[in-house]
Amino acid sequence: GIQVEQSPPDLILQEGANSTLRCNFSDSVNNLQWFHQNPWGQLINLFYIPSGTKQNGRLSATTVATERYSLLYISSSQTTDSGVYFCAAKAAGNKLTFGGGTRVLVKP
Amino acid sequence: DTGVSQNPRHKITKRGQNVTFRCDPISEHNRLYWYRQTLGQGPEFLTYFQNEAQLEKSRLLSDRFSAERPKGSFSTLEIQRTEQGDSAMYLCASSLALEAFFGQGTRLTVV
Repeated sequence: GIQVEQSPPDLILQEGANSTLRCNFSDSVNNLQWFHQNPWGQLINLFYIPSGTKQNGRLSATTVATERYSLLYISSSQTTDSGVYFCAAKAAGNKLTFGGGTRVLVKP
Repeated sequence: DTGVSQNPRHKITKRGQNVTFRCDPISEHNRLYWYRQTLGQGPEFLTYFQNEAQLEKSRLLSDRFSAERPKGSFSTLEIQRTEQGDSAMYLCASSLALEAFFGQGTRLTVV
């Protein structure tokens, strides 16, 4: 099945800093999603982005499907951005495969 | 639309007991998924339903695990003879097309 790798595994930021999270996947995808897992465990949808670029406030994402990677940009980070960010991809078949996540800590 | 709902939110059980979790998907979503997440890891796929048909099961889903979606709406996940290794967050998701939406999860602790 498809393999999904995220980097870096951990990221410590000072409030106000910008950052880039990366997601590499091993096969062509028909679904690529970014999630933020809140402290209570719920996965919050950030982007559905199998290709192209999207922006939502201080967050934006770009997927280059032909090169099999996606990037999540956090600008002007805030302490509320802390948590775990997951990338998940689906190739042929039914299941989303998750990466290992990037744990982000934004310090005030 | 209230999103994907899971109950209970937390469950503590003794080893060897059976437990059942419920998932109510977003209405009209015909696809439903169960995932399991252990501490420090990403969610892992367990099983997939399209309407009432269970179309895919992971090898992670041992014979102690069973999932149903009898009327193509809500789903249940039962674990029989629980083991300490079953302690995890169990997540349910639903979708109409490709984008999946997750519930709050059920955190299971086996003591």
